[in-house]
Amino acid sequence: QSVLTQSPSVSAAPGQKVTISCSGRGSNIGDNSISWYQQLPGSAPKLLIYDNNKRPSGIPDRFSGSKSGTSATLGISGLQTGDEAVYYCGAWDTGLNVHWVFGGGTKVTVL
Amino acid sequence: QVQLVESGGGLVRPGESLRLSCTASGLSFSDSYMSWIRQAPGKGLEWISYISSSSRTIYYAESVRGRFTISRDNAKNSLYLEMTSLRAEDTATYFCATLANDSFDHWGQGGLVTVSS
Repeated sequence: QSVLTQSPSVSAAPGQKVTISCSGRGSNIGDNSISWYQQLPGSAPKLLIYDNNKRPSGIPDRFSGSKSGTSATLGISGLQTGDEAVYYCGAWDTGLNVHWVFGGGTKVTVL
Repeated sequence: QVQLVESGGGLVRPGESLRLSCTASGLSFSDSYMSWIRQAPGKGLEWISYISSSSRTIYYAESVRGRFTISRDNAKNSLYLEMTSLRAEDTATYFCATLANDSFDHWGQGGLVTVSS
């Protein structure tokens, strides 16, 4: 069971928008910045969003991130077939023992 | 461009040891913070260890503390993970990754470790 909670799956038609939620607690999302990763089938994860809402160079602005309290959201607009992947959120947990935590992953299916 | 290449994976029996390596290029390795992250077959990502650029700060996940040791050799642009007392549940693809701005910005392609009798 992952420390950060994500819904297992979401689906939408091409061109639509999906949102993926990530829920944690004060010691992780509440106190630290969140990042989001895309893992295409058979590939290593790739950074999509860092510092809650910033995109690395090369990541299209169809991908957006936000954070409020102990929850965060990844938005994907203008959904494309190439967006079909598993998406993970992650953050430091700076409670009693410092460690990194990931969400369980959300599978995005493009209908 | 940044390249991280894992090596040293393979098939081992329960209780045995294995050492993974990650060789970096295209970045200032000695200034980079590094982590190991694993993914069991068909499962999600699990962070297992972090090491600061100078090796002064090290963190481990509870699941591997006391059995795994992370280290680095900045002169060789290399990161290591020494794994002992391996268990079936350690079977996974192991990724090395750089950490910047509190996020994993570069990842290796992963190395498979299989623990089975």
